[in-house]
Amino acid sequence: DTAVSQTPKYLVTQMGNDKSIKCEQNLGHDTMYWYKQDSKKFLKIMFSYNNKELIINETVPNRFSPKSPDKAHLNLHINSLELGDSAVYFCASSQFRQGDHTFGSGTRLTVV
Amino acid sequence: GENVEQHPSTLSVQEGDSAVIKCTYSDSASNYFPWYKQELGKGPQLIIDIRSNVGEKKDQRIAVTLNKTAKHFSLHITETQPEDSAVYFCAASSRGSQGNLIFGKGTKLSVKP
Repeated sequence: DTAVSQTPKYLVTQMGNDKSIKCEQNLGHDTMYWYKQDSKKFLKIMFSYNNKELIINETVPNRFSPKSPDKAHLNLHINSLELGDSAVYFCASSQFRQGDHTFGSGTRLTVV
Repeated sequence: GENVEQHPSTLSVQEGDSAVIKCTYSDSASNYFPWYKQELGKGPQLIIDIRSNVGEKKDQRIAVTLNKTAKHFSLHITETQPEDSAVYFCAASSRGSQGNLIFGKGTKLSVKP
């Protein structure tokens, strides 16, 4: 059983398009995150939801909009994609403030 | 906010040797320090973690040490094997924060047979 699953694994799209990435966790965690890993492998928090409520919104362009329909799901919608959005996006989950994250396998987004 | 520095950025060792990766953090309120291993094409996987009420923790060939006074923590891998080759990340988190992790920039470990 996959603990944190995200789809799609690969996403290639043209500049200006809108795309979504989906994430689901079956660990019973109450907090979910989106992290971005750039070409130099640097991992940085983007958003965090606790019990469907947004609790972290880092300095991310407002073209990025997360949505959490319930505790087990966190989706990321990106409007008007730009070349600089190309990266690997990781979903993760944990119990609130417990620290230990479980990560998904990532979505490699390539904007051409 | 928290800042985590990690060194070295690359590390090459012979199979059977030990590997040490070091991290420093800036926020004295940080109290949770995990280490993640990331293999090619996969997500980061937790390999060991330590909380600030403990100075050292060991799990088979892997150990982590924490010096709260100096604000640094280290990962030690003994008897390295080729399958230990990966990118390793340290991170820090504070219970006073929203629970997100602040990561170091990673260390690419290569273990040569």
